[in-house]
Amino acid sequence: SQQGEEDPQALSIQEGENATMNCSYKTSINNLQWYRQNSGRGLVHLILIRSNEREKHSGRLRVTLDTSKKSSSLLITASRAADTASYFCASSPLFGGFKTIFGAGTRLFVKA
Amino acid sequence: KAGVTQTPRYLIKTRGQQVTLSCSPISGHRSVSWYQQTPGQGLQFLFEYFSETQRNKGNFPGRFSGRQFSNSRSEMNVSTLELGDSALYLCASTPGGLGHTGELFFGEGSRLTVL
Repeated sequence: SQQGEEDPQALSIQEGENATMNCSYKTSINNLQWYRQNSGRGLVHLILIRSNEREKHSGRLRVTLDTSKKSSSLLITASRAADTASYFCASSPLFGGFKTIFGAGTRLFVKA
Repeated sequence: KAGVTQTPRYLIKTRGQQVTLSCSPISGHRSVSWYQQTPGQGLQFLFEYFSETQRNKGNFPGRFSGRQFSNSRSEMNVSTLELGDSALYLCASTPGGLGHTGELFFGEGSRLTVL
């Protein structure tokens, strides 16, 4: 499969709670990115973390990267109903050309 | 700056027909990538073009093809359509030059239904 793995596949939480999504990838990478997709629409870039970084913050988002385990996590703090969407991790392989490989995604539902 | 524009947004075809989808990247972006998104397989990489050259290709049959024009606009074509080709086809652009981080800018997609 081209894809990495993400878990959970789906996540349902209450507004105000934190949401954590995990991603694993298969090959050495240049960087790892997280995207958001509202139902049936295009993806929107959220945050990028380089292979030499371990943690990055952007607003309510916190991303970690563990290259030894080939894994990453996305934490959304103080979630809102508007955060309801699918979230995808995407890796840019160090070798293997100009392509970005997406995970299967986590569907997040935030209840108001 | 205008975003990535994909046309048509929705289309219905029957098995055996062919289809052409169009993507206009953000002005100044020279790299265009195409993805197929289905509920069962997720986002699958189709191909990537830069300056009219295909630099990478995913694991799709030869029925799937693409090209890029000198103005960076790109088209993809699927011939002899099968039911399993029903999907959301997403196009993404990036500047594509050396040093670019790799952030993809996506269009809204073309939703293809094959009957």
